[in-house]
Amino acid sequence: QQQVKQSPQSLIVQKGGISIINCAYENTAFDYFPWYQQFPGKGPALLIAIRPDVSEKKEGRFTISFNKSAKQFSLHIMDSQPGDSATYFCAASYSGNTPLVFGKGTRLSVIA
Amino acid sequence: DVKVTQSSRYLVKRTGEKVFLECVQDMDHENMFWYRQDPGLGLRLIYFSYDVKMKEKGDIPEGYSVSREKKERFSLILESASTNQTSMYLCASSFDGIQETQYFGPGTRLLVL
Repeated sequence: QQQVKQSPQSLIVQKGGISIINCAYENTAFDYFPWYQQFPGKGPALLIAIRPDVSEKKEGRFTISFNKSAKQFSLHIMDSQPGDSATYFCAASYSGNTPLVFGKGTRLSVIA
Repeated sequence: DVKVTQSSRYLVKRTGEKVFLECVQDMDHENMFWYRQDPGLGLRLIYFSYDVKMKEKGDIPEGYSVSREKKERFSLILESASTNQTSMYLCASSFDGIQETQYFGPGTRLLVL
């Protein structure tokens, strides 16, 4: 119930292509869904987040799509660049004093 | 800029040693967290703290303890290090309200021999 399942584990995308990472959850009480980005040698940093009152949120080339009925959310990176090569973690939490539940991460490599 | 610092980037310890990992944040955050990161397992929460002298167990607290004597400092203690505790350890902090953004430190890579 507390798990967030993330796929794929790794992803290779051509420069200029679209990167798509998917996450699924079971706990319908989750109401906050952030994505964190981690570069090698650094800690993760918040990239973008969504709440279930909207189905999509866009910030630059990064978009979260949210499907409440399917209990799924995904990160789309448009026009992927080599500088986007990083590990991406989806996460979820619900209101109250509960910490984030993280997915297992996706290692993205964008090749020229 | 929020800054979360961890006392060491790399640490090598012997089995059975007591190990202290220190984390300091400079943003007056109420919440602090310790995670370990292992390939294929993602980020797993060890302990977290909402306030000074308070602590809560995360998903994998066994073999670890924590201390928070001051608001800005959160220490992770391995009472008797074992080889299966070889990992990357990440500290994070956030303002009150768990859905606030977590700010992570750069991590400590611990090797237990």
